[in-house]
Amino acid sequence: KNQVEQSPQSLIILEGKNCTLQCNYTVSPFSNLRWYKQDTGRGPVSLTIMTFSENTKSNGRYTATLDADTKQSSLHITASQLSDSASYICVVSDNNNDMRFGAGTRLTVKP
Amino acid sequence: EADIYQTPRYLVIGTGKKITLECSQTMGHDKMYWYQQDPGMELHLIHYSYGVNSTEKGDLSSESTVSRIRTEHFPLTLESARPSHTSQYLCASSGNRAPYEQYFGPGTRLTVT
Repeated sequence: KNQVEQSPQSLIILEGKNCTLQCNYTVSPFSNLRWYKQDTGRGPVSLTIMTFSENTKSNGRYTATLDADTKQSSLHITASQLSDSASYICVVSDNNNDMRFGAGTRLTVKP
Repeated sequence: EADIYQTPRYLVIGTGKKITLECSQTMGHDKMYWYQQDPGMELHLIHYSYGVNSTEKGDLSSESTVSRIRTEHFPLTLESARPSHTSQYLCASSGNRAPYEQYFGPGTRLTVT
């Protein structure tokens, strides 16, 4: 069983709408959690990185939250654009900096 | 935009051929990684390096090999390509200080026929 589970597996929304992606993890001891955006055929690009003490972090229209007690994170996208269509990957690192990747959520934004 | 490069971007090659996927970074990062990713699936770590002359196998068993003779260069070699090697290969490097931000190259899409 993967130590990082993401949901939903895929999501289709209309341009301009908001959406929230979920990430649950069991990685321990926890060091940090990152959200990446991966366009088709490209390498992932970092959106946010949060450590244990951080509850929320924003990067433009992207806002990530972290609840280290329940081991859950979310990525909220506001006012979606067509260019937001991509896979969003949650990555959790332990204290040895070993990274565990989620399978990603495939987001499609339609006009 | 991260300074990490991969060549070729796309490669179609016949079974049994030897191939080398190139990866280089100009950020002076000590740590470099190779991941394998099938379409719609998560990334799997196949090799990593903590510096020159350091190479380790990752979580996913791979028939490929790597070398790290120079800090900026981390090539991956398949001695005899097989159709099962068809996949996307992503190279990454990470900073030398916490939180060790990881930067990815654009990837090489390998197809073995």
